[in-house]
Amino acid sequence: AQTVTQSQPEMSVQEAETVTLSCTYDTSESDYYLFWYKQPPSRQMILVIRQEAYKQQNATENRFSVNFQKAAKSFSLKISDSQLGDAAMYFCARHSGEKLTFGTGTRLTIIP
Amino acid sequence: DAGVTQSPTHLIKTRGQQVTLRCSPKSGHDTVSWYQQALGQGPQFIFQYYEEEERQRGNFPDRFSGHQFPNYSSELNVNALLLGDSALYLCASSLRIGQPQHFGDGTRLSIL
Repeated sequence: AQTVTQSQPEMSVQEAETVTLSCTYDTSESDYYLFWYKQPPSRQMILVIRQEAYKQQNATENRFSVNFQKAAKSFSLKISDSQLGDAAMYFCARHSGEKLTFGTGTRLTIIP
Repeated sequence: DAGVTQSPTHLIKTRGQQVTLRCSPKSGHDTVSWYQQALGQGPQFIFQYYEEEERQRGNFPDRFSGHQFPNYSSELNVNALLLGDSALYLCASSLRIGQPQHFGDGTRLSIL
């Protein structure tokens, strides 16, 4: 099975500091997409950032950026200037074919 | 611009019963995917519908079936409910393969 692994069940960070969430994945395909989704207690999955595998440049969205290492099959998320509203479960996901395969998630706590 | 809407929000059933969950995709989206998210886990892909046909299916038994209507809305049906079917059921819509999937708030299904 082609899996997505998030090795950090829980992380915490001081407000305004920077935190990095780790993700590794397995795939035999050369063309795929990677995503980070955020799921607050309200349950809705919210897209944070997207990376196309064929692009070497790391994606950035305001305070969110990724470190994509294709050869190592690694896709980490960096959150800068952490805010209280960033507290949530974060899921890494790989998209290939028609489906998303998710990791087990990292619960991020923001310490005021 | 309406996002993905799911109904009902919560549902309680007993073992052996049947249930139907509903999803309306985001405006302009033609592809609908269904995911099951057990407590403390990442979502698991059930199946995807496009042009009223099931395009791909995850590792779920035939008790799980679906349908897509001409207006792109979709239903998920689960027959002969088991206790293990208790989960959050998420619907996601997208436009074309590889485009980000937008999620609804989910239906929380509890089996007694």
